[in-house]
Amino acid sequence: SYVLTQPPSVSVAPGKTARITCGGNNIGSKSVHWYQQKPGQAPVLVIYYDSDRPSGIPERFSGSNSGNTATLTISRVEAGDEADYYCQVWDSSSDHLFGGGTKLTVL
Amino acid sequence: QVTLKESGPVLVKPTETLTLTCTVSGFSLSNARMGVSWIRQPPGKALEWLAHIFSNDEKSYSTSLKSRLTISKDTSKSQVVLTMTNMDPVDTATYYCARISRGYSGYDYDYFDYWGQGTLVTVSS
Repeated sequence: SYVLTQPPSVSVAPGKTARITCGGNNIGSKSVHWYQQKPGQAPVLVIYYDSDRPSGIPERFSGSNSGNTATLTISRVEAGDEADYYCQVWDSSSDHLFGGGTKLTVL
Repeated sequence: QVTLKESGPVLVKPTETLTLTCTVSGFSLSNARMGVSWIRQPPGKALEWLAHIFSNDEKSYSTSLKSRLTISKDTSKSQVVLTMTNMDPVDTATYYCARISRGYSGYDYDYFDYWGQGTLVTVSS
């Protein structure tokens, strides 16, 4: 079955750029979606179809996907961006699959 | 305004069957290329997709839980129901329903664009 690998944690100073990766075999051939989940809240879609932003999501959030790695990039990080981030794909062997999640800490 | 709301028991006993209902508003369960999924999250752990149902009654289940799950919808009531049989303490989790939107770019791709608040289900005797 397909596996998505995310780093457990990423730390970044306010105003800097955070990059959260999602690794998978030839993930570049799939559509990757990203969700933000703050403590005690439901997930929120922040990027879909690799790099599209839903309405209401700041332009600071962007995505890319190539080869074996998809990346969520958060520019000019703010304290309010501190959350868990999950990548998600659809795979014929695993259906809808989420990564293990990455905890973003704003220093 | 799209909303989804989960309802069901907060506590179930081992071996019992769990029935959860997702009531949606702001969109119709008959909308083309839209559906509803159930996703769960054990305390402190990652998200796990369980099942989905689309407007054309297309259904799909997690391979590992397929034998225990049934999903159905009542379009007139704007409700999607998930049943999970033979509950076990490891099934303790927050259960979310989420709207799926299906895009197309040479192939279909699904993403979860709206989520309910979730409901915590504890399995314990």
